Amino acid sequence: DTAVSQTPKYLVTQMGNDKSIKCEQNLGHDTMYWYKQDSKKFLKIMFSYNNKELIINETVPNRFSPKSPDKAHLNLHINSLELGDSAVYFCASSHAGETGSFGYTFGSGTRLTVV
Amino acid sequence: SQQGEEDPQALSIQEGENATMNCSYKTSINNLQWYRQNSGRGLVHLILIRSNEREKHSGRLRVTLDTSKKSSSLLITASRAADTASYFCAPDNTDKLIFGTGTRLQVFP
Repeated sequence: DTAVSQTPKYLVTQMGNDKSIKCEQNLGHDTMYWYKQDSKKFLKIMFSYNNKELIINETVPNRFSPKSPDKAHLNLHINSLELGDSAVYFCASSHAGETGSFGYTFGSGTRLTVV
Repeated sequence: SQQGEEDPQALSIQEGENATMNCSYKTSINNLQWYRQNSGRGLVHLILIRSNEREKHSGRLRVTLDTSKKSSSLLITASRAADTASYFCAPDNTDKLIFGTGTRLQVFP
């Protein structure tokens, strides 16, 4: 019973292609996130959605477009893939209280390799 | 928003020894969270300490928080080979967590 599930786990594709990564959470959390982890293990936040609404959009190229059909799903579509997009992408979810989140639950990641 | 800065970057110890990792941050926080990441996996939430708490325990984990020094430490007692992982701190004061590059802990059997 995976709490935050991402698909696919691995994705190898050629430069210029368009690809999507899907994320689903069954925790009833109201906020979902996409993070990118580079080869140096630095985790960078990309997007955040709260109840299907975009609340955080960091400096990410327009080729990246998140979509949240409902609060349990947050998908990431990437157009015109570039070599520099190769990384591990993590989806996460959380429920926020008055004093911040109660902790994030992460998916197991999607390793994207652009060749 | 702010990220935590973990120190040291890497730590190697023998099984049974204690491991201490430190975290510094720059602005006020609501809480501070510690996460573990095993190789090839997602981050796992370990423990959350609120700004009005000074110390918290969870099993072999002990976290301290000093808001006057804007620092936190994570102590893992009686370490095991299975504790080998990267550990991240995340100060929480806004609508997102920003992670540093973590401390890579290696526990040798």
